[in-house]
Amino acid sequence: EADIYQTPRYLVIGTGKKITLECSQTMGHDKMYWYQQDPGMELHLIHYSYGVNSTEKGDLSSESTVSRIRTEHFPLTLESARPSHTSQYLCASSEWGGSGNTIYFGEGSWLTVV
Amino acid sequence: AQSVSQHNHHVILSEAASLELGCNYSYGGTVNLFWYVQYPGQHLQLLLKYFSGDPLVKGIKGFEAEFIKSKFSFNLRKPSVQWSDTAEYFCAVSRGNNLFFGTGTRLTVIP
Repeated sequence: EADIYQTPRYLVIGTGKKITLECSQTMGHDKMYWYQQDPGMELHLIHYSYGVNSTEKGDLSSESTVSRIRTEHFPLTLESARPSHTSQYLCASSEWGGSGNTIYFGEGSWLTVV
Repeated sequence: AQSVSQHNHHVILSEAASLELGCNYSYGGTVNLFWYVQYPGQHLQLLLKYFSGDPLVKGIKGFEAEFIKSKFSFNLRKPSVQWSDTAEYFCAVSRGNNLFFGTGTRLTVIP
């Protein structure tokens, strides 16, 4: 059972607002990820982290930013939300050690920007 | 371009029917292969994975997948589906620091 939590699950927000999507995991995993998925499309990696104070951009360019001040916490922030940011955002984590490790996912945060 | 292809977007089956969901990838070299499942309202969770060895991999809930290197395929199978298998199924390929996903196949099992 995955112990990775995302809040909020659903959010509707106006254009120009700042939002932070929270993600926490209790498994002590070093690696954490944010994926973005539009309906009917692939999941795309937008950010990942190897550990505290490490953040990297993924294969899909995103205007969001992330931080990793604590091992268990990997929040994603949009400084000024736009309708094009409407999507599902999935947080995930895995143990450190290479591409073969299982990635555990949170339930996702559905963001709608109006 | 590197990609993971799932050709079936929506599959509808009756209970007890056999299932095969296709997955093809376009990466060369060594890859790790996964099938994830997302039941309605739940997390994505791992169904099975292939790293090396026997190309026929057994997963949870009676699922299996076969890695055919020459065809760049990793198809998911189950001999007899149940209503509780209704979910979305994602094939994924791991390369380096990234996990590349297909677009998913929605499976609906009719009682």
